Amino acid sequence: DQQVKQNSPSLSVQEGRISILNCDYTNSMFDYFLWYKKYPAEGPTFLISISSIKDKNEDGRFTVFLNKSAKHLSLHIVPSQPGDSAVYFCAAKKNIGNEKLTFGTGTRLTIIP
Amino acid sequence: KAGVTQTPRYLIKTRGQQVTLSCSPISGHRSVSWYQQTPGQGLQFLFEYFSETQRNKGNFPGRFSGRQFSNSRSEMNVSTLELGDSALYLCASSLEGQGGQPQHFGDGTRLSIL
Repeated sequence: DQQVKQNSPSLSVQEGRISILNCDYTNSMFDYFLWYKKYPAEGPTFLISISSIKDKNEDGRFTVFLNKSAKHLSLHIVPSQPGDSAVYFCAAKKNIGNEKLTFGTGTRLTIIP
Repeated sequence: KAGVTQTPRYLIKTRGQQVTLSCSPISGHRSVSWYQQTPGQGLQFLFEYFSETQRNKGNFPGRFSGRQFSNSRSEMNVSTLELGDSALYLCASSLEGQGGQPQHFGDGTRLSIL
């Protein structure tokens, strides 16, 4: 049972344009969401997170939007740069106690120069 | 500040053998989690340790075990290795593993079973 889903395995975006990565979840108990970026042969790097009490969080070129009613979140990268080419993972957890992170299967983003 | 360190980076074993992987968390971090990554499966949670105690466990067989030492370093052990255990094993640490604290990952140990 895949509780966190990234339905697009890959995405190609022109350099300088906006990249939008999407993530859906099914467990309504999730209330803390994170995005990680992963390069080959390296571990995932934390990018940005959002709590369910917010609907938007911004950090430089990265913005995460959360739509709780739709159980959907998205990561916007503006402007996209060649160094953004990587696999992006969405993750979720219950913000109570010490719950584990549940990850999506990832989206490979390729920025075209 | 040093990141999460995992050793070894690569390991080749044969079926039936056992293996131990090591993880040193970021200094000051007391929670250590382990994940398995296989192609098309994303990251699957194995277990989490805090103060030398296992606090959370994923849906993996008992062949997968771990422990945490008083300095927060952690080890993961897999016994009676199977071909399907070939994967990237990732360790992540956080301050307390509570609430809105992101986990920070090491670069993983790539385990190949022949």
